[in-house]
Amino acid sequence: GEDVEQSLFLSVREGDSSVINCTYTDSSSTYLYWYKQEPGAGLQLLTYIFSNMDMKQDQRLTVLLNKKDKHLSLRIADTQTGDSAIYFCAEKRNTGKLIFGQGTTLQVKP
Amino acid sequence: DTGVSQDPRHKITKRGQNVTFRCDPISEHNRLYWYRQTLGQGPEFLTYFQNEAQLEKSRLLSDRFSAERPKGSFSTLEIQRTEQGDSAMYLCASTPEGALLTEAFFGQGTRLTVV
Repeated sequence: GEDVEQSLFLSVREGDSSVINCTYTDSSSTYLYWYKQEPGAGLQLLTYIFSNMDMKQDQRLTVLLNKKDKHLSLRIADTQTGDSAIYFCAEKRNTGKLIFGQGTTLQVKP
Repeated sequence: DTGVSQDPRHKITKRGQNVTFRCDPISEHNRLYWYRQTLGQGPEFLTYFQNEAQLEKSRLLSDRFSAERPKGSFSTLEIQRTEQGDSAMYLCASTPEGALLTEAFFGQGTRLTVV
């Protein structure tokens, strides 16, 4: 099928690390993305990883990719209250269309 | 160019009415995508254009939905005989052609409420 799956909810304390997990379906997907969506706002691209990479780090964000298991994760270090949002992983198909997961709501408690 | 623009931002309509949304992509982006996002879900692909050609349609796109991109620039998405289940955020995105990497630039969306 076309499902990209994510855990629905994660709650962390400010300053802790957050890890959001995702599994995807198409082994031929070239790029995998993480988007952030705040209430009432549009989709903001956070980071991406090319399928031949295992890891990518970008400031507080670390993306890990296990291509064998089709598993993607996003780690946010030193999570802040401003990181509270819904996070979507997405895989890019060869036509350029994106297949999104259902989103993980991240709640950051002060 | 300030990005992908969608109009209107909000639309409330009565069941059975027709509605039309517009998307203006980033200029010179020849790929344009429509997605639908319902509450609590991720965006779902509806259709995409390369220039004026509509190259793929999701099975979510019932025959009440039609999308056009007549001159390969802006696109319209029309929903005929709206139903309450059509209530959602309709998102448009654009990318340049042939770009393996390039991120899809999303508009702010049109939120449709069918009452």
